[in-house]
This record gives sequence, C-alpha cells and structure tokens, in this order.
Amino acid sequence: GENVEQHPSTLSVQEGDSAVIKCTYSDSASNYFPWYKQELGKRPQLIIDIRSNVGEKKDQRIAVTLNKTAKHFSLHITETQPEDSAVYFCAVTGGSYIPTFGRGTSLIVHP
Amino acid sequence: SQTIHQWPATLVQPVGSPLSLECTVEGTSNPNLYWYRQAAGRGLQLLFYSVGIGQISSEVPQNLSASRPQDRQFILSSKKLLLSDSGFYLCAWAQGAKNIQYFGAGTRLSVL
Repeated sequence: GENVEQHPSTLSVQEGDSAVIKCTYSDSASNYFPWYKQELGKRPQLIIDIRSNVGEKKDQRIAVTLNKTAKHFSLHITETQPEDSAVYFCAVTGGSYIPTFGRGTSLIVHP
Repeated sequence: SQTIHQWPATLVQPVGSPLSLECTVEGTSNPNLYWYRQAAGRGLQLLFYSVGIGQISSEVPQNLSASRPQDRQFILSSKKLLLSDSGFYLCAWAQGAKNIQYFGAGTRLSVL
C-alpha cells in the first residue's frame, strides 16, 4: 500500500518567517495531494490541494509544490502569522477509497 | 451545500459500557463515509470506511464496529469500552476521484 512520510514533526518559526513542510510518498499511481490544517481541538480542514499534472499551486500565502519524479510534495507558508499555528497533515489519494495521511507537523509561530 | 453532523461533542464513559456515535451528511447522496480516531497529539488512524449502505470495511481489528443503516448515516459502536478507546473520533465524507475528506466536528471520548 501507499506510504507517506512527513517532516518535520515540529516546526517553530518567528512571525513573518516562512515555513516549509515536506512529504514523500511511495505509490507512483497516486494523483491527488491535499493538505489539511487542524487547529487545537478542532477538525482537520482542507487548505490546498494539487493534482499530479500540476507542479505548483498558490493561494495567497500558501503554496504547494509537487515533484512527481522524486515523489515528494511540500507546503510553503510565507509571512507566517500566529493564527497559522496548528497541526498540518499531508495526504495522498488516487485509485482507492482510502487516503493515506502523513503523521502531521505541529507548526508554532512565535509573535 | 454539503454539511456533516457528528454527535455528541464530548462523552465520558466507564470502562465496559457501550458506545454509539452517530454521523449524518446532508446535501449529497451516496458519499463515501469514514471513521477516524486521533489520540492526543497524534495522527489520524482510519478505523472504518463505507462506500454504500450496508458496506463496511475495517482497517484496524479492535472492539469497535460500524454500521451504515442509511445512505447518509454512519454509526460507530462498541459493546464494551476499554481504556484504550479514549480519543478524538472524527467522521468524514468524501466523493469523487479526489477523495478529499470533509470532517465532522469530532467527539472527544474519555473512558474512565
């Protein structure tokens, strides 16, 4: 089955800095790569996703890049703000009903 | 638009007691439905998923069970809770090739 590894497990930055979270996957047939944000005590919510035929996608301060050859994709957050503090999960889907999630990255943005 | 309802929000149950958590989806038909468990500070563990009424697939063998009596209703049950069943339970629905998961608000279960 699919295997997804997410790094780092914890990321601490100063407000205004950039943050990058990286995921690698194993199944070359995977074709959708969503990212979810989970604030403390809340549900995970989709923040951005990318499909396999696209290399980069941006939405304001958030971007996702995908390298299909190397089988990795990354979440980039620029100009971080305290409200960006949360746990971020990458996921991989494609060809099955079951998404595979990374183990999560706890992002802490210090004011 | 689609919405997902999950209840109760919090639950405190003694060891050995039964459990029933319910989830319903509105605004769509024939969704794929999922139950996840999340231990404190940990990732998402898929417990069950269903692609249709009466169809349940189990990902992790344990003392929990799931049922889908109606198209947009998904129920998580246990006959006898264990201490290790404590956690944050999330229901989710998805549809289409992207399989993006849309989560309910979650139930925080404490087994004492």
